Amino acid sequence: DGGITQSPKYLFRKEGQNVTLSCEQNLNHDAMYWYRQDPGQGLRLIYYSQIVNDFQKGDIAEGYSVSREKKESFPLTVTSAQKNPTAFYLCASSTGTASNQPQHFGDGTRLSIL
Amino acid sequence: AQSVTQLGSHVSVSEGALVLLRCNYSSSVPPYLFWYVQYPNQGLQLLLKYTSAATLVKGINGFEAEFKKSETSFHLTKPSAHMSDAAEYFCAVRDPGGNTGKLIFGQGTTLQVKP
Repeated sequence: DGGITQSPKYLFRKEGQNVTLSCEQNLNHDAMYWYRQDPGQGLRLIYYSQIVNDFQKGDIAEGYSVSREKKESFPLTVTSAQKNPTAFYLCASSTGTASNQPQHFGDGTRLSIL
Repeated sequence: AQSVTQLGSHVSVSEGALVLLRCNYSSSVPPYLFWYVQYPNQGLQLLLKYTSAATLVKGINGFEAEFKKSETSFHLTKPSAHMSDAAEYFCAVRDPGGNTGKLIFGQGTTLQVKP
């Protein structure tokens, strides 16, 4: 089955540590997105990529970094500069950035601080 | 700037009752609108999307939504609630600026279904 796989499902970060969240898709989608979800705040865009080797900052990119070396993969690194990283992180993809194309979501990674 | 407002962070209905989840948007251009559902500790699943072909949009699991331009609304309804409908629901609008594909989400509405 085609879909988006996020791993791990749960992740714990120590103070001063960088952690990387994995996102892999086999839908042959060009565009990929990372969102952060906090209770009562909906989803906020961290980074997005419209094509391999290119990505742009979203609304809350500070303290995060990404790479897009392969079409299938869009890993997110939460750096030590992100002072409040505890949240649910969702990866999404779409066939392109055309307005009527829905985004498809993975099952998320829940990040907590030790 | 685009925005989405979902009225009511929590909605409670009895099983078999009508479900109505409200969504209003602001947009300077014809919008592309979406409703997603999220079950606990899972990702978002697309319920339906409005893309200007028809104002009444039918989605999965018996849900539908009506686009009303005059009211800038895209409310989600289901005639008869089922226990399995208990989840969080998000309305989203596509940001038309820059062709980024970015979605702007509402705050979400948690639907509780009572037996």
